[in-house]
Amino acid sequence: QQQVKQSPQSLIVQKGGISIINCAYENTAFDYFPWYQQFPGKGPALLIAIRPDVSEKKEGRFTISFNKSAKQFSLHIMDSQPGDSATYFCAAWNSGNTPLVFGKGTRLSVIA
Amino acid sequence: GAGVSQSPRYKVTKRGQDVALRCDPISGHVSLYWYRQALGQGPEFLTYFNYEAQQDKSGLPNDRFSAERPEGSISTLTIQRTEQRDSAMYRCASSFGGGQGNSPLHFGNGTRLTVT
Repeated sequence: QQQVKQSPQSLIVQKGGISIINCAYENTAFDYFPWYQQFPGKGPALLIAIRPDVSEKKEGRFTISFNKSAKQFSLHIMDSQPGDSATYFCAAWNSGNTPLVFGKGTRLSVIA
Repeated sequence: GAGVSQSPRYKVTKRGQDVALRCDPISGHVSLYWYRQALGQGPEFLTYFNYEAQQDKSGLPNDRFSAERPEGSISTLTIQRTEQRDSAMYRCASSFGGGQGNSPLHFGNGTRLTVT
């Protein structure tokens, strides 16, 4: 049973456009929701994270929107650039010291 | 400073052989994690350590898989009697500790294991 469901599997966005990736979870005990970015040949790297006490967090062009009642959260990339082309993973964790669980990933391609 | 270092970068082995994958975490990082990542999938948790103590090994697929971190630094993931289904990217990550929600994971570039 997949604990974090991510969509879409792949995404193509024009340069300057908005990229949106969605995740849904079932376990209400999760209390930390990070997004990781992975470039080919590299390991995933933390991009941005949110806790459920806020509905939105913004860092530069990257924003997480969080809907606690719907158990969903999403990553928005504003003014998408070709350098943003990568695979993005959402993840979830609860403070019961269980491991971080990842979604299956979204391959983003930003085309000029 | 240096990131998480994994070796070898690639490992090809014949079915039935044992393999040992090495992880050298970022200096000072208390927690060390092993994940497995299949092609086109997200990382799947295997096991983790705080210092030298193995805290959780619930993700290890079966008893052919084991891990150790004897001195609280370098860790080795060992797969005995490898099978073709073990072929995957094995990733190590480390963090300062205090739970993954308090300290982000820093992943290595992984070891690509191919069992023929």
